Amino acid sequence: AQSVTQPDIHITVSEGASLELRCNYSYGATPYLFWYVQSPGQGLQLLLKYFSGDTLVQGIKGFEAEFKRSQSSFNLRKPSVHWSDAAEYFCAVGFMNTGFQKLVFGTGTRLLVSP
Amino acid sequence: NAGVTQTPKFRVLKTGQSMTLLCAQDMNHEYMYWYRQDPGMGLRLIHYSVGEGTTAKGEVPDGYNVSRLKKQNFLLGLESAAPSQTSVYFCASRRFEGQQYFGPGTRLLVL
Repeated sequence: AQSVTQPDIHITVSEGASLELRCNYSYGATPYLFWYVQSPGQGLQLLLKYFSGDTLVQGIKGFEAEFKRSQSSFNLRKPSVHWSDAAEYFCAVGFMNTGFQKLVFGTGTRLLVSP
Repeated sequence: NAGVTQTPKFRVLKTGQSMTLLCAQDMNHEYMYWYRQDPGMGLRLIHYSVGEGTTAKGEVPDGYNVSRLKKQNFLLGLESAAPSQTSVYFCASRRFEGQQYFGPGTRLLVL
């Protein structure tokens, strides 16, 4: 069965430091890949997505992610974290064998930003 | 555009009571989804619909029913609520190809 793994439950980063959130999936073919962010008490907002083409994807709020087929990974990065980035981040994957109709979500990584 | 809206925002039920959650979207999207979010478990798909009049089971469908009588609305029903259904419920919609847009969520507490 397809699965999505976000190995870090919590990450604490100092404001201004760089950030990398990890996401791995298990699937043989190329999936559709997404990163969403959720602020407390809010819904999910799309940060970026990868369907095909350039494997380095730029998103909103200064985030980027890189698809590495050989590692089945889609890690999210930001060069300089702001206090307002504190939130929960979800990686989601759509799989071809479901016609890309459904997404499988990781369990999320909560980002804490220290002063 | 309002995007995806959910009604109600918060509800408290007693075990055995029934209720319906309403999701509405004004983007003319074909696909609609219901998820539940529980701590440490991410979002899990309950049911989804690929078009008006069609529904399909997701990962955790037991105890829930859905209907999509109109393209813009997707209803999630709990016939006999259980404490295990205490959760935050999110609705989402998308075009045939594209990202999912999420509603603000409904917090449900079953006592």
